Amino acid sequence: LAKTTQPISMDSYEGQEVNITCSHNNIATNDYITWYQQFPSQGPRFIIQGYKTKVTNEVASLFIPADRKSSTLSLPRVSLSDTAVYYCLVGVLHSGGYQKVTFGTGTKLQVIP
Amino acid sequence: EAGVTQFPSHSVIEKGQTVTLRCDPISGHDNLYWYRRVMGKEIKFLLHFVKESKQDESGMPNNRFLAERTGGTYSTLKVQPAELEDSGVYFCASSPRAEETQYFGPGTRLLVL
Repeated sequence: LAKTTQPISMDSYEGQEVNITCSHNNIATNDYITWYQQFPSQGPRFIIQGYKTKVTNEVASLFIPADRKSSTLSLPRVSLSDTAVYYCLVGVLHSGGYQKVTFGTGTKLQVIP
Repeated sequence: EAGVTQFPSHSVIEKGQTVTLRCDPISGHDNLYWYRRVMGKEIKFLLHFVKESKQDESGMPNNRFLAERTGGTYSTLKVQPAELEDSGVYFCASSPRAEETQYFGPGTRLLVL
């Protein structure tokens, strides 16, 4: 299983753009990169998923370089409500056809007023 | 659309007792997953159902844990007998197809005394 490494914590002021980078040096050909957000006392919530290059949705952007050994989650103009733990996951597509996702330690983002 | 629901939200039991956790996936999602986070550790995969069949139960810690999904709708996870080290948060997730994004429930917080 591809192991991920991301910063344990980050602080940011409101209104700033936040970039969280995740390393996954052993990513396999079939692996997708997925980011989840988790608030206290809640389950993880899907943010964005990508395979290569750049993916953007209404919440975030995901940048994946050509070698796919890392990825960067970009949150534009964060607010206090974005304070949460962000997980970078590399999903292994098993022979049964599903993504066996593996959670790492996550990055605790604290947004400061 | 209703999300993944889990019951109970919290459970406190004594060592040696039995506890049954329930998960109701999003309607129409054939794939159901159980995960758990024990004290201070990462969220780890337990098992995966496709409809009523167990596709992958490689993450189940031991035979004190029994997961079922009769009829392919809701699922139960029974711990019998519970041990102190079983304390943690148990998450359930579901997805329409196996390779698609998993949607997580809020979790059940289990405390074994």
